[in-house]
Amino acid sequence: DQQVKQNSPSLSVQEGRISILNCDYTNSMFDYFLWYKKYPAEGPTFLISISSIKDKNEDGRFTVFLNKSAKHLSLHIVPSQPGDSAVYFCAASGGSNYKLTFGKGTLLTVNP
Amino acid sequence: DTAVSQTPKYLVTQMGNDKSIKCEQNLGHDTMYWYKQDSKKFLKIMFSYNNKELIINETVPNRFSPKSPDKAHLNLHINSLELGDSAVYFCASSAGPGAQETQYFGPGTRLLVL
Repeated sequence: DQQVKQNSPSLSVQEGRISILNCDYTNSMFDYFLWYKKYPAEGPTFLISISSIKDKNEDGRFTVFLNKSAKHLSLHIVPSQPGDSAVYFCAASGGSNYKLTFGKGTLLTVNP
Repeated sequence: DTAVSQTPKYLVTQMGNDKSIKCEQNLGHDTMYWYKQDSKKFLKIMFSYNNKELIINETVPNRFSPKSPDKAHLNLHINSLELGDSAVYFCASSAGPGAQETQYFGPGTRLLVL
């Protein structure tokens, strides 16, 4: 039962352009959402998060948008840089449950 | 200075063996986790400890037993290893148990059961 879905396994963009990574969720109890970034042979690292009381959160080149009615969130990276090439995981949590539920990840490749 | 470290990094073993993976964090965090990333790439929580007490115990075989000797360490012992246990196991820690606490991950332990 995939409660967090990242339907694009990979995405390729040119350096300087915008990267948009998408995530859908099914559990209406989810109220906190995160993006993690993972390089090969390393553990995931926290990138940005958003609470369900907001619809946008921005941190430098990274912006996360949340559309609660569509149960959809997206991560925008502008401008994309080659060092952004990594796997991006969407994660969600909600209710009294401490745990994070992760998606399968999207491999982003930023070409110079 | 590594914040969350795991040993070993790679583990190749035969079916039926018992093995342990160790995790240590030097962040002063109260909460630690074990995750499994299987061949389908899903990262799934297995266990979580807060102040050495088990707070999350997902549906995993009881061949898996976590042990937290102190707040800085969370080890994972696996009995009677099976082929399906082959995966990458990640340890993580956070300041507290809330899902809004940022989790810091170790580099992973790649387990291959032959």
